[in-house]
Amino acid sequence: DQQVKQNSPSLSVQEGRISILNCDYTNSMFDYFLWYKKYPAEGPTFLISISSIKDKNEDGRFTVFLNKSAKHLSLHIVPSQPGDSAVYFCAASSSDKIIFGKGTRLHILP
Amino acid sequence: DTEVTQTPKHLVMGMTNKKSLKCEQHMGHRAMYWYKQKAKKPPELMFVYSYEKLSINESVPSRFSPECPNSSLLNLHLHALQPEDSALYLCASSQGLGRTSSYEQYFGPGTRLTVT
Repeated sequence: DQQVKQNSPSLSVQEGRISILNCDYTNSMFDYFLWYKKYPAEGPTFLISISSIKDKNEDGRFTVFLNKSAKHLSLHIVPSQPGDSAVYFCAASSSDKIIFGKGTRLHILP
Repeated sequence: DTEVTQTPKHLVMGMTNKKSLKCEQHMGHRAMYWYKQKAKKPPELMFVYSYEKLSINESVPSRFSPECPNSSLLNLHLHALQPEDSALYLCASSQGLGRTSSYEQYFGPGTRLTVT
């Protein structure tokens, strides 16, 4: 049973536009949420995180939104750049463990 | 230095072989992790070490044996593996365990393991 779900396996976005990646979770005990970015042949790289007591966290072009009542979070990238093409993993944490979603492959189109 | 290194990058081994995967970090992190990732699947936690002691074992088969010789090094000893154990093995580290400090994990590039 997947506790962290990324229902879109892939997403294509025009360069310069906004990329929105979505993630749903089922476990209300999660207290911290993260996004990781992964290029081929590399390990995941931490991108941005949000505590369950907040609803928004912004870092440069990246903003994560958390809707606890809907058990939903999203990552907004604006403007999207070619180097953003990668697999993005949503992750949720409690009790020292991180549980990852299956990932969404983001393609930034020229 | 925010790098986690892993060796080897690729490993092919037979089912009767014994091999080891190595991971190293010099960020002063006190928690280290092993994950297994199959193709098109998320990373799955295997082991967590905190202050060189095994903290979490996610019911991993005994043919995988972790070892943490010191705070910078993490090994994964492999023996009598099965073809279905072929995967990308990722090492990660974090400042420690506990709220937030365990969450921001730094990953190595992984070792691509093929069991024949």
